[in-house]
Amino acid sequence: QKEVEQNSGPLSVPEGAIASLNCTYSDRGSQSFFWYRQYSGKSPELIMFIYSNGDKEDGRFTAQLNKASQYVSLLIRDSQPSDSATYLCAVLLSNQFYFGTGTSLTVIP
Amino acid sequence: EAGVAQSPRYKIIEKRQSVAFWCNPISGHATLYWYQQILGQGPKLLIQFQNNGVVDDSQLPKDRFSAERLKGVDSTLKIQPAKLEDSAVYLCASSLISATEAFFGQGTRLTVV
Repeated sequence: QKEVEQNSGPLSVPEGAIASLNCTYSDRGSQSFFWYRQYSGKSPELIMFIYSNGDKEDGRFTAQLNKASQYVSLLIRDSQPSDSATYLCAVLLSNQFYFGTGTSLTVIP
Repeated sequence: EAGVAQSPRYKIIEKRQSVAFWCNPISGHATLYWYQQILGQGPKLLIQFQNNGVVDDSQLPKDRFSAERLKGVDSTLKIQPAKLEDSAVYLCASSLISATEAFFGQGTRLTVV
């Protein structure tokens, strides 16, 4: 049973647009939620995390959490070609991280 | 602050050979993780240490994989004997404690031929 599900994409957006990445999780006991960016051939890099329902903004990135619906999303405003990467959603449950398979994002100049 | 260090970066071995990977976590981080990431998939936890004790190794193929974390700092992951399906990137990550964000090393790309 998958703990964390993401649409694998690829998701393509034009430069300057908003990219919306979604993630659902199965266990209501999940404590914290993380978004990692992974460039091809590189290791995952933490972008941001969220614990509470609602929105959390950090620069061009906004994480949204809805525990009732069991989803977490990442919005990237003013998308840049350098944002092209795979975005991994991770859920912390019982002190363990569970990762989704990632969504591939391509920002078209 | 130095990040998570891993070595080697790349390794090519023949099936049935053995291989070892090394990880040095961020200083002061008590929790250390080894993940396996197969191409096109998300990282899968192999083993999690809290200091030098094992917290979870339920997904570690214990007939061929072993890991240790001596003195609660560096860790090694060993595969013996390797199979073709072990070809993957092996990522080490660490966190201050087990309920906080994890930071990843550069990974070791293993190819078994």
